[in-house]
Amino acid sequence: GESVGLHLPTLSVQEGDNSIINCAYSNSASDYFIWYKQESGKGPQFIIDIRSNMDKRQGQRVTVLLNKTVKHLSLQIAATQPGDSAVYFCAENIAGGGAQKLVFGQGTRLTINP
Amino acid sequence: EADIYQTPRYLVIGTGKKITLECSQTMGHDKMYWYQQDPGMELHLIHYSYGVNSTEKGDLSSESTVSRIRTEHFPLTLESARPSHTSQYLCASSELRDPGYGYTFGSGTRLTVV
Repeated sequence: GESVGLHLPTLSVQEGDNSIINCAYSNSASDYFIWYKQESGKGPQFIIDIRSNMDKRQGQRVTVLLNKTVKHLSLQIAATQPGDSAVYFCAENIAGGGAQKLVFGQGTRLTINP
Repeated sequence: EADIYQTPRYLVIGTGKKITLECSQTMGHDKMYWYQQDPGMELHLIHYSYGVNSTEKGDLSSESTVSRIRTEHFPLTLESARPSHTSQYLCASSELRDPGYGYTFGSGTRLTVV
């Protein structure tokens, strides 16, 4: 059947503030999670990843938190800059039956206000 | 710069035409994928491949077909384009055994069928 697209949630923050983008994932067996950033007219770009045996991982200005109990993932961006404006997707790696595939969440559109 | 290339970037074509979207990667990745994404919306997996002569249908039903005759090349074909095929098509690749740093995406082909 035909799928109905959902409009992406949006988040607006002031330049210099911290932002938190949340994501709920679906599969308890997912062993690996990734955050992607997609700017207009481009493909998604890798930001940071985390494996299921961790609950926190930090990168440059970004931190990913994983709560397996409630199947929740978050991306924290510190001191946001205009270049952070983009759509952010979380993705979970689902393994099973010898196959692995990445399933993407709905995405959040982040807008940085000057 | 990404090592995965998609051509064309933009394509406007009439209903009923046959089209092939090209995707090539130079990273030697075994796994390749095609995602469909409507503007501002989430990504949906339509095809994937684990290696030469391996192709599988993704989660979203698609009238397109794919082939994998060479490791580096994963073209997508629509035998008879329709306006409902209007969308952005993203190609990605990853290593076989371990998602590693996730998928590397191309810049996408934005297809418009009139």
